[in-house]
Amino acid sequence: DAKTTQPTSMDCAEGRAANLPCNHSTISGNEYVYWYRQIHSQGPQYIIHGLKNNETNEMASLIITEDRKSSTLILPHATLRDTAVYYCIVRVAGSSNTGKLIFGQGTTLQVKP
Amino acid sequence: KAGVTQTPRYLIKTRGQQVTLSCSPISGHRSVSWYQQTPGQGLQFLFEYFSETQRNKGNFPGRFSGRQFSNSRSEMNVSTLELGDSALYLCASSPTVSMNTEAFFGQGTRLTVV
Repeated sequence: DAKTTQPTSMDCAEGRAANLPCNHSTISGNEYVYWYRQIHSQGPQYIIHGLKNNETNEMASLIITEDRKSSTLILPHATLRDTAVYYCIVRVAGSSNTGKLIFGQGTTLQVKP
Repeated sequence: KAGVTQTPRYLIKTRGQQVTLSCSPISGHRSVSWYQQTPGQGLQFLFEYFSETQRNKGNFPGRFSGRQFSNSRSEMNVSTLELGDSALYLCASSPTVSMNTEAFFGQGTRLTVV
């Protein structure tokens, strides 16, 4: 299974962009990169996903390098409510075409006033 | 549209007992996955169901089982509970099993085994 590596923790000033990096050097060609976040004791919340092109939605942008070995999640204007654990996940391809999510330890993002 | 609903939200059981947790996916979603979250192991995949069939299974003992009904609702069962089974159990639903579709999580069931 493709594995992801993220920094354990990061700080960001409120109103500034938060850039969360992720390494996934063993990713396969047909595996997607997903980002979720989890606020304490709640279920993980979907943020964004992509295959090889950069993606943007109302929450964030996802930048994937050309070799697909790393990606960056960008929260353009972080607020205190963005304080959470952010998980970078490679959605695993399987022989039966399932797509289980393999969670790592994630990055704890602390947004400070 | 209602989100993923998990019941009960909190549960306390005694060692050796069994427990059944329920998950109602988002309307129209046919895939349901289950995850266990503990402070020591983080979020771990348990199993995935699609159209009443188990499509994938994580590395958990046979005491952990699940099923999916024709209306896509799913249940998971843990028999002979151990203290280490204390965890947050999360259910996620997706429209299909495609890798290009997001999974939406419920708020989880907090199980405490005493």
